[in-house]
Amino acid sequence: TQLLEQSPQFLSIQEGENLTVYCNSSSVFSSLQWYRQEPGEGPVLLVTVVTGGEVKKLKRLTFQFGDARKDSSLHITAAQPGDTGLYLCAGRRERNQGGKLIFGQGTELSVKP
Amino acid sequence: GAVVSQHPSRVICKSGTSVKIECRSLDFQATTMFWYRQFPKQSLMLMATSNEGSKATYEQGVEKDKFLINHASLTLSTLTVTSAHPEDSSFYICSAPTSGGRAWAKNIQYFGAGTRLSVL
Repeated sequence: TQLLEQSPQFLSIQEGENLTVYCNSSSVFSSLQWYRQEPGEGPVLLVTVVTGGEVKKLKRLTFQFGDARKDSSLHITAAQPGDTGLYLCAGRRERNQGGKLIFGQGTELSVKP
Repeated sequence: GAVVSQHPSRVICKSGTSVKIECRSLDFQATTMFWYRQFPKQSLMLMATSNEGSKATYEQGVEKDKFLINHASLTLSTLTVTSAHPEDSSFYICSAPTSGGRAWAKNIQYFGAGTRLSVL
């Protein structure tokens, strides 16, 4: 069973459209991170959210952490071809030893011009 | 600039040979590092946790004798794929959390650029 369910796993949209990626769990996370990864490279951290209900904005990207710290979302406004890539959510559990991150399945985003 | 350096970025080897991948934390010490494996268009799968000065902790299903991990210093962890076979071909990524901050929840984990292993 997947501890952190990420959806959708694939998304193909036109430039200018909006989109939302979701990460859901039945477990509580002490923090949740969002990464973007391009082919052949390692993931690059976009944001970390730690407080329930927290909302962070990074230009056209809006990240939200659920009040109960069990879910998170990434919303992209007016997507551009440069947003194409693999988006990963990763959470750190309460009482998790060693700081391990638990990853969602990833969302492969393709933005067509 | 990169805070975690991984080397090599790409390696091609013959079946039966061993391959060593290095992961270095730059400008910070990392008592713990993580090794992941990733298949095309899929998420990262944690293989093991590398602990400085002690044995690595392997995830269920990962062969310890196949994937040897050594964390000999506070800035270097190595993953050796022993007697590599074509099924070991994959993208291997390391990460290291910064130790700044009071709680693990706020520590930021940085990733290396990955190593593409191709076993012929």
